[in-house]
Amino acid sequence: EAGVVQSPRYKIIEKKQPVAFWCNPISGHNTLYWYRQNLGQGPELLIRYENEEAVDDSQLPKDRFSAERLKGVDSTLKIQPAELGDSAVYLCASSSEGSYGYTFGSGTRLTVV
Amino acid sequence: DAKTTQPPSMDCAEGRAANLPCNHSTISGNEYVYWYRQIHSQGPQYIIHGLKNNETNEMASLIITEDRKSSTLILPHATLRDTAVYYCIVRVVGMYNTDKLIFGTGTRLQVFP
Repeated sequence: EAGVVQSPRYKIIEKKQPVAFWCNPISGHNTLYWYRQNLGQGPELLIRYENEEAVDDSQLPKDRFSAERLKGVDSTLKIQPAELGDSAVYLCASSSEGSYGYTFGSGTRLTVV
Repeated sequence: DAKTTQPPSMDCAEGRAANLPCNHSTISGNEYVYWYRQIHSQGPQYIIHGLKNNETNEMASLIITEDRKSSTLILPHATLRDTAVYYCIVRVVGMYNTDKLIFGTGTRLQVFP
């Protein structure tokens, strides 16, 4: 089992530029989560998908953040335009119905300069 | 809206038991306690979870007080590879299609030779 795969691992961009992160969940996992982890803090949920439907996006800053999960498998998280405060690690996780925990990917470390 | 409090850091000698405490005094009756750990530059890794009974698996034991206001994660024989940040987490499932892990700031465990 490959685990949750995220890319890129690192990204450095200038402020006001767009950026996108990609996540491939574990095969068969219908639930996908995007979390953001600021330096020295625990992760915080941004959005949760059940298959292709975003069922909880209450924590997603919708003015600049967007996400999609086409065909209920891979997902992309986008920021446009990026701000200095968006510097963080963006984590993707997945789970299957009835499972007891989430499996996290290694994350994408974003630095906005 | 973190629901857990943990000491920021702890030390443990290799081969000894590591006991990591957590307070979750505002936990609701149907909310689970989860423990994850995060090794530098990796995503959080699931350890164990419980509702009200003590739990044990191949990695650790979880002791939950009878009033559910606190718990302790026990690593019975700590190794150097157990050095990580340990998060005590409440999993909130319920109203408005909510299902998320609420992380605190974690305990940085340093295992020394």
